[in-house]
Amino acid sequence: KAGVTQTPRYLIKTRGQQVTLSCSPISGHRSVSWYQQTPGQGLQFLFEYFSETQRNKGNFPGRFSGRQFSNSRSEMNVSTLELGDSALYLCASSLAKRTSANTDTQYFGPGTRLTVL
Amino acid sequence: DQQVKQNSPSLSVQEGRISILNCDYTNSMFDYFLWYKKYPAEGPTFLISISSIKDKNEDGRFTVFLNKSAKHLSLHIVPSQPGDSAVYFCAASAGYSSASKIIFGSGTRLSIRP
Repeated sequence: KAGVTQTPRYLIKTRGQQVTLSCSPISGHRSVSWYQQTPGQGLQFLFEYFSETQRNKGNFPGRFSGRQFSNSRSEMNVSTLELGDSALYLCASSLAKRTSANTDTQYFGPGTRLTVL
Repeated sequence: DQQVKQNSPSLSVQEGRISILNCDYTNSMFDYFLWYKKYPAEGPTFLISISSIKDKNEDGRFTVFLNKSAKHLSLHIVPSQPGDSAVYFCAASAGYSSASKIIFGSGTRLSIRP
């Protein structure tokens, strides 16, 4: 079974531009979450999509948005880029099934390294 | 406000010895805890997890211990191997809803020296 794929892998943009990142989840996975990783900050949760609906959102400004398509593929958009947006953006997919004995394991893609100049 | 804290940004351990990675949390509602491992240029991969109804979970060389009263968990790797050199993230979630957010710590870089 193919893993989570993210495109592009690397991206260089300038301040003020906008960017769209793409994520294809593992086949059959209905939930897609996005994270931002910066040095020393760990993985900061951006948002989660399930069945084309955003059902969880982290503490990021409105410049960060996303969507999910009917095939579960997801895109993340960042508008008016700032230098501080330079980071590794990770996408994770999961089955979105959780019982009292187990949580919903997330499977991560390799990430998109965004550099804002 | 970091709900999941990994206070050691790095750790160096000799090959064959035990590696102990620590994690503290503040939210008493967390009931499920996970460890992820990340190599450079790759996404994190799930390693091991533990439910709050247990205090220990073992999988091969990896054991996770949970101390609910201290809001502390640790990951033990025995014996440590060169391939274990990576960044380890501790994570936690609350509630049984599949919509629960998973909160990650800032990571600990483990280096296994020969």
